[in-house]
Amino acid sequence: GENVEQHPSTLSVQEGDSAVIKCTYSDSASNYFPWYKQELGKRPQLIIDIRSNVGEKKDQRIAVTLNKTAKHFSLHITETQPEDSAVYFCAGETGFQKLVFGTGTRLLVSP
Amino acid sequence: DVKVTQSSRYLVKRTGEKVFLECVQDMDHENMFWYRQDPGLGLRLIYFSYDVKMKEKGDIPEGYSVSREKKERFSLILESASTNQTSMYLCASRRPGTAYEQYFGPGTRLTVT
Repeated sequence: GENVEQHPSTLSVQEGDSAVIKCTYSDSASNYFPWYKQELGKRPQLIIDIRSNVGEKKDQRIAVTLNKTAKHFSLHITETQPEDSAVYFCAGETGFQKLVFGTGTRLLVSP
Repeated sequence: DVKVTQSSRYLVKRTGEKVFLECVQDMDHENMFWYRQDPGLGLRLIYFSYDVKMKEKGDIPEGYSVSREKKERFSLILESASTNQTSMYLCASRRPGTAYEQYFGPGTRLTVT
């Protein structure tokens, strides 16, 4: 089955810097890759996603890139702000409509 | 606005007790899921359901069962709670098909003593 690995587990940046979180997946049939943000004490919420027929997608300060050949995808956050501090999860969708999640990255943005 | 609710935010149970965690969604979603969240392990799928009366094992089903008698409600059952089931439990729902957003409930933090 699908396996999703996520790195790093913890990321500390200064406000205004960029942050990059990387994920790899194992199932070449996976075709949908969402990213969820979980603030402290809250539920995970979708922030951006990408389908396998697209190489890059942007939404204001966040972007996701996908390399199907290498089976990896990344989340890029530019001009980070303290409110970006959260745990971020990547996921890949299997053929059974299930999402397989990475282990999460704790992002800390210091003022 | 999709809403997924869970019956309790915090729950404390004793070892050996039978525990019921309830999840309700109001968007008529066929697919529902139960995850547990532990530090460093991410979100691990316990069970999921594609429709009423249907259930499928996820990656870590041991010690758990589920019930889906109505489309909007998906229950997770711990038949005999153990301390290693102390965790955060998250319910989620989603439309059937590919590339649809999955909506999570607020979570239930269960402590088994």
